[in-house]
Amino acid sequence: QQQVKQSPQSLIVQKGGISIINCAYENTAFDYFPWYQQFPGKGPALLIAIRPDVSEKKEGRFTISFNKSAKQFSLHIMDSQPGDSATYFCAAVDGSSNTGKLIFGQGTTLQVKP
Amino acid sequence: DTGVSQDPRHKITKRGQNVTFRCDPISEHNRLYWYRQTLGQGPEFLTYFQNEAQLEKSRLLSDRFSAERPKGSFSTLEIQRTEQGDSAMYLCASSLSVGTNYGYTFGSGTRLTVV
Repeated sequence: QQQVKQSPQSLIVQKGGISIINCAYENTAFDYFPWYQQFPGKGPALLIAIRPDVSEKKEGRFTISFNKSAKQFSLHIMDSQPGDSATYFCAAVDGSSNTGKLIFGQGTTLQVKP
Repeated sequence: DTGVSQDPRHKITKRGQNVTFRCDPISEHNRLYWYRQTLGQGPEFLTYFQNEAQLEKSRLLSDRFSAERPKGSFSTLEIQRTEQGDSAMYLCASSLSVGTNYGYTFGSGTRLTVV
């Protein structure tokens, strides 16, 4: 059962363009939505995160948009750079559980062309 | 201590052999997690420790898998009688229980190949 669905699976963007990755969830107990960036051979690294009481969060070139009623959230990368080429994962944490375990989407491989 | 360390980085083993991986979390982090990541997929939760107590195990964690965290410090993940389906990246992460702050730090993982 896929609790967090992520799309697209892969994305090619020109340098300077906007990269958009979308995620959807069903579990209304989710209360924390992070995005992770992963380079080959490395573990995921936290990029930016949002809680459902906020509709948008921006950190530098990275913005999360959150739509609580639609149970969807997305990552926007502005002015995409070749160094942003990586795999991106959305994730969610079930606030009704005490474990804090992450439930990941399937991932999006981003390639930014120079 | 600047991050989560995992050892070894790579492990190739023959089917049926036992393997053990080690994770050293950030020293002040009391929560420790193991995840498994197969090619082209997101990490999947395996197990969770708070200090030395193993508080949750995924159904993915068959009886061939065992994890420990003695004295609430480093952790080990052992796989007995490895199978080809165990080939994956095994990731360790740690975090600090501070309210609902889920500030995870992941290690670089141990890539297991079962031949």
